[in-house]
Amino acid sequence: EVQLLESGGGLIQPGGSLRLSCEASGFTFSNYAMSWVRQAPGKGLEWVAAIRDSGETFYADSVKGRFTISRDNSKNTVSLQMNSLRAEDTAVYYCAKESANSGSYPVDYWGQGTLVTVSS
Amino acid sequence: DIQMTQSPSTLSASVGDRVTITCRASESVHKWVAWYQQKPGKAPKLLISEASSLESGVPSRFSGSQSGTEFTLTISSLQPDDFATYYCQQYNNYSWTFGQGTKVEIK
Repeated sequence: EVQLLESGGGLIQPGGSLRLSCEASGFTFSNYAMSWVRQAPGKGLEWVAAIRDSGETFYADSVKGRFTISRDNSKNTVSLQMNSLRAEDTAVYYCAKESANSGSYPVDYWGQGTLVTVSS
Repeated sequence: DIQMTQSPSTLSASVGDRVTITCRASESVHKWVAWYQQKPGKAPKLLISEASSLESGVPSRFSGSQSGTEFTLTISSLQPDDFATYYCQQYNNYSWTFGQGTKVEIK
């Protein structure tokens, strides 16, 4: 059974940093691209970042230069380092597994989400 | 970035109704569109990929179609479990973009 378990969310002041982690199980982690998708309270879905099985990374313009996605295939984890946080980064952050490897594919498994609140 | 314009934003319908939700891409995304269902407090669920390919385990009352850059999700006979919010997504390349969402409410 595929499982994605996020951790690291919480309340942080504007300008602060936070690191989210997602531990994956139930599939060959190293073979799949992984993404982070966020959802602000009461709003729609917004793609944040992706990392391919090759390690190549991609970012939404809204987070480029502030967020860094990384993966550790030995620990089956994908992380999102978030710096210079802003109020508009407040959202539930979902870890997401793509449905196929190599390329850009829709998400077939999602984590439960972790809430990040940026507020003073 | 490619924009996905989804309509309507809200839809009131009754059990048994035929429901149609539309997304229009701002440029060609070929067939690389997916549809998700999301219920309150839950992660989205993938219903359809490649514009019209039904995911395993998804009821056959859900279907997807494409005409150029316009994509449609149809629920042939709305069931009580289908009241939720639906999102389209283009995954032609990174960066992905989602439609604004359509909330299907009970009439």
